[in-house]
Amino acid sequence: EDQVTQSPEALRLQEGESSSLNCSYTVSGLRGLFWYRQDPGKGPEFLFTLYSAGEEKEKERLKATLTKKESFLHITAPKPEDSATYLCAVHSGGGADGLTFGKGTHLIIQP
Amino acid sequence: DTAVSQTPKYLVTQMGNDKSIKCEQNLGHDTMYWYKQDSKKFLKIMFSYNNKELIINETVPNRFSPKSPDKAHLNLHINSLELGDSAVYFCASSQSGAGSTFGSGTRLTVV
Repeated sequence: EDQVTQSPEALRLQEGESSSLNCSYTVSGLRGLFWYRQDPGKGPEFLFTLYSAGEEKEKERLKATLTKKESFLHITAPKPEDSATYLCAVHSGGGADGLTFGKGTHLIIQP
Repeated sequence: DTAVSQTPKYLVTQMGNDKSIKCEQNLGHDTMYWYKQDSKKFLKIMFSYNNKELIINETVPNRFSPKSPDKAHLNLHINSLELGDSAVYFCASSQSGAGSTFGSGTRLTVV
């Protein structure tokens, strides 16, 4: 069974203070690792897909990286509007062929 | 234009009732999904539907049934609602395993 574990569960940073969120995974045949952002009362918003170890993707202040066992979401010089829950998910084709999500990291950026 | 839309946004109903949630996507995606987000914000796949093939997560009670009148719609029917069915239900769509686009969710409360 696919498993996704995210850490930390919650993270509070000062504006401009860079940090990283971790996603470790166990799957039988990775077809993609996904990062999403979820704001309160809204659906998850797609950020990145990573397919193979060594791959990196960037978008504004966010950078996602992938190894064979984990992925990191690096946040550089965050702003208060980056506050959200960040979700990691894997697609392996198992289960109902959808995404298996971690429980998320709740990120708060204080001005 | 909203890419994945679901109605209603809120649904309050009594135990034992039957209810439906509608979902439509205008992205031309080939696969649609239903996810359940529980009170602890954990997202779990329920169903995926691709080209008339339905894949069911074995943990989903058979009181839940998705119905797809065409490629752009995947509605969720729930029979004999129970208190434990209270959650936020998200519809999503994707093209060939790429990142999914989620709707804004339907908050179901069973009283």
